[in-house]
Amino acid sequence: AQKITQTQPGMFVQEKEAVTLDCTYDTSDPSYGLFWYKQPSSGEMIFLIYQGSYDQQNATEGRYSLNFQKARKSANLVISASQLGDSAMYFCAMTGGSNYKLTFGKGTLLTVNP
Amino acid sequence: KAGVTQTPRYLIKTRGQQVTLSCSPISGHRSVSWYQQTPGQGLQFLFEYFSETQRNKGNFPGRFSGRQFSNSRSEMNVSTLELGDSALYLCASSFRTGYNEQFFGPGTRLTVL
Repeated sequence: AQKITQTQPGMFVQEKEAVTLDCTYDTSDPSYGLFWYKQPSSGEMIFLIYQGSYDQQNATEGRYSLNFQKARKSANLVISASQLGDSAMYFCAMTGGSNYKLTFGKGTLLTVNP
Repeated sequence: KAGVTQTPRYLIKTRGQQVTLSCSPISGHRSVSWYQQTPGQGLQFLFEYFSETQRNKGNFPGRFSGRQFSNSRSEMNVSTLELGDSALYLCASSFRTGYNEQFFGPGTRLTVL
């Protein structure tokens, strides 16, 4: 079974500052994928970034980077230079082994203050 | 390229009724997955379809069912609606089963009265 834990129900950050959203995971599968999604109040889930368990380098996508620490089973999302439009729920998720369903964490509500 | 579309966007039903939700994946995508999102349970996987076959099923009662058509469009059906079925139902498509990137639609918000 896979499990995702997001311990921060809410986070606040000032515009233009960087913020780290925490995510830890648990799985017995040697091969797995880690994802971050953004969900604005409209409800749509927006894919942000993906990290494979065998990827040697941390994934980056524009202002998003994933701090992957395999030994600690953590996959934190770093958003640089926060913008007001980044205010949303952020979900960490994973797939593993032959099971391609996404297992989600509870989410972190990020608020960017002007 | 058009994204994932879901219809209807909003739906109000009463207990005991049944409902059918529709999802059209991104053109060329053959895998469609369905998720239920509620404030209490969060996001939970319902089922996945690939090439008209159910490949994966979550832990939901048999009242929840789905199917996929030859054009990859998918429908999910909930029979004998209960108050607890009120949720945002999200559909995600990917190029093939097991493909890493899943693209979500805007969701259908179902309210059961």
